[in-house]
Amino acid sequence: DAGITQSPRHKVTETGTPVTLRCHQTENHRYMYWYRQDPGHGLRLIHYSYGVKDTDKGEVSDGYSVSRSKTEDFLLTLESATSSQTSVYFCATESRLDTEAFFGQGTRLTVV
Amino acid sequence: SQQGEEDPQALSIQEGENATMNCSYKTSINNLQWYRQNSGRGLVHLILIRSNEREKHSGRLRVTLDTSKKSSSLLITASRAADTASYFCATDAKGSNYKLTFGKGTLLTVNP
Repeated sequence: DAGITQSPRHKVTETGTPVTLRCHQTENHRYMYWYRQDPGHGLRLIHYSYGVKDTDKGEVSDGYSVSRSKTEDFLLTLESATSSQTSVYFCATESRLDTEAFFGQGTRLTVV
Repeated sequence: SQQGEEDPQALSIQEGENATMNCSYKTSINNLQWYRQNSGRGLVHLILIRSNEREKHSGRLRVTLDTSKKSSSLLITASRAADTASYFCATDAKGSNYKLTFGKGTLLTVNP
């Protein structure tokens, strides 16, 4: 799995609470991505990073924020979790734009 | 909205048959990639084809790209039960500021 670790792997949280998911990579890849996967929607891009402190929004960024203070870590924060954010979240990394992306094993988040 | 759309959404075949999945996309791309996802796991890269390439092979996989039609196909020959998985196309769109976007996927079931 190319040294990509997502934590936690599973989490149940209550509506309205903040949640932070972590993606840690040991590959020194420049590009990092957060996706959510839901039935019928495939993978949708939430936020991505093209370098330390360089981030931008994807197609479903509302309610999410990210931070990348060092190359190896990309954090995804749900500022106030809602039931619609129940999903499986995947982190991915890419060394260069024209190469393959490597995925973590996913975090299953349930908001009750 | 998502850049790529796979067709069909689901495909069921017998072991030994060939499986063909299609991907259509909306804007000009730098490259197109295919990924595989086994149930409950992260995505695994299969093959990358650049916008100036028309066909590429990797083992039992054959990918074609038609940029005039904005479409790609993935052919898996002599399928095996172990090929059962979801298959996604992903595009790196020109002018996208490094975004790698995925379609909704094709669920392939290979029956023994």
